[in-house]
Amino acid sequence: AAGVIQSPRHLIKEKRETATLKCYPIPRHDTVYWYQQGPGQDPQFLISFYEKMQSDKGSIPDRFSAQQFSDYHSELNMSSLELGDSALYFCASSLASAASSYEQYFGPGTRLTVT
Amino acid sequence: AQSVTQPDIHITVSEGASLELRCNYSYGATPYLFWYVQSPGQGLQLLLKYFSGDTLVQGIKGFEAEFKRSQSSFNLRKPSVHWSDAAEYFCAVADGGATNKLIFGTGTLLAVQP
Repeated sequence: AAGVIQSPRHLIKEKRETATLKCYPIPRHDTVYWYQQGPGQDPQFLISFYEKMQSDKGSIPDRFSAQQFSDYHSELNMSSLELGDSALYFCASSLASAASSYEQYFGPGTRLTVT
Repeated sequence: AQSVTQPDIHITVSEGASLELRCNYSYGATPYLFWYVQSPGQGLQLLLKYFSGDTLVQGIKGFEAEFKRSQSSFNLRKPSVHWSDAAEYFCAVADGGATNKLIFGTGTLLAVQP
């Protein structure tokens, strides 16, 4: 079965640079979530989209923005990168209309290292 | 606000021994609860979930969890641990709002001794 795809898997950037992370949800899934997991931390919710509209927002810095496109893939754009942005970024998807809509399927993550 | 507490940061068990990882939640209504496992540097794999019904749920890799409303707990168990079970385990609750975002506990790191 198809899973959530994230690209790139690894990314190294310097401070003040920008980064774009991409997420391709499971086919037919209409909801995408982004989470950030710092070293030794639990995943923290950043932002979510349903049917290409932002549906919820967590502790996402103003330097970050995200969107969901017509094909339901999502991109997380990060500008003015800081050392503290180094983390594992997860994307998850779900199908809002499903009986198990609470169940999110996670991608493998993008490991961002800011030097 | 919803929250999840995993009281044990680190647990060590011997291979073949039984395992119980604790999880307590704070939620006003019926919670949607999950256990995820994460190997070092890897993604999150869903072990099992509780939405409703039978309070004892079975998951993959021989894991089970029991939902106890009276104790606000959702503890993960395995009767006999294998060395490959060494990983970090996260308990999570769905927010239940408009988007069902997950709120994770701080995780329990499991080490397995030979």
